[in-house]
Amino acid sequence: EIVMTQSPATLSVSPGERATLSCRASQSVSSNLAWYQQKPGQAPRLLMYGASTRATGIPARFSGSGSGTEFSLTISSLQSEDFAVYYCQQYNNWPPRTFGQGTRLEIK
Amino acid sequence: EVQLLEYGGGLVQPGGSLRLSCAASGFTFSSYAMSWVRQAPGKGLEWVSAIGNNGDSTYYADSVKGQFTISRDNSRNSLYLQMNSLRADDTAVYYCAKGSSGWPYYFDGWGQGTLVIVSS
Repeated sequence: EIVMTQSPATLSVSPGERATLSCRASQSVSSNLAWYQQKPGQAPRLLMYGASTRATGIPARFSGSGSGTEFSLTISSLQSEDFAVYYCQQYNNWPPRTFGQGTRLEIK
Repeated sequence: EVQLLEYGGGLVQPGGSLRLSCAASGFTFSSYAMSWVRQAPGKGLEWVSAIGNNGDSTYYADSVKGQFTISRDNSRNSLYLQMNSLRADDTAVYYCAKGSSGWPYYFDGWGQGTLVIVSS
């Protein structure tokens, strides 16, 4: 089973600033890595797939990078609606499809 | 627009059974793999099970293998999860998720979830 590890667990950032979230896989997942955003009481929403391709309707301030075992999600200028929990997920080698434990992005 | 609506959750006693359903619309259901993903209260996301577009292939997390059964009815645009021998640690919101086109696929659509509480 591929273990996905996200860091940090919580990230405190001020609106307008840049945030970078990290995700590490226990073995290579190539570029088969997705990011999801989840707000309280809501379902997850796809942000990014293929490690760096934005999903439909996702603003350009979101960008993803990485391949193999190291990935990152960057939000260039945080808006109020961006404060949420973010999960990475590998879909390269399954079952099981594994998620990271999540990074909570909170307002500083 | 992809729409997924889960139902069938509720309160069930330990050892009991429950069948979840997911009604799909807005896309050609029979063309896409589907999954169930759950989230225990205050916890992260856990993939539970997946099924191929025509139902011929099914996959399970080790934590539910032999306990849960995934199925689909393409004529009804519906996905199901039969859950037996339920335990307290099965308490969670259960989401159905649509697989993307292509291979390997990621989840490009999610329902709002249905809450399952296993408690006496």
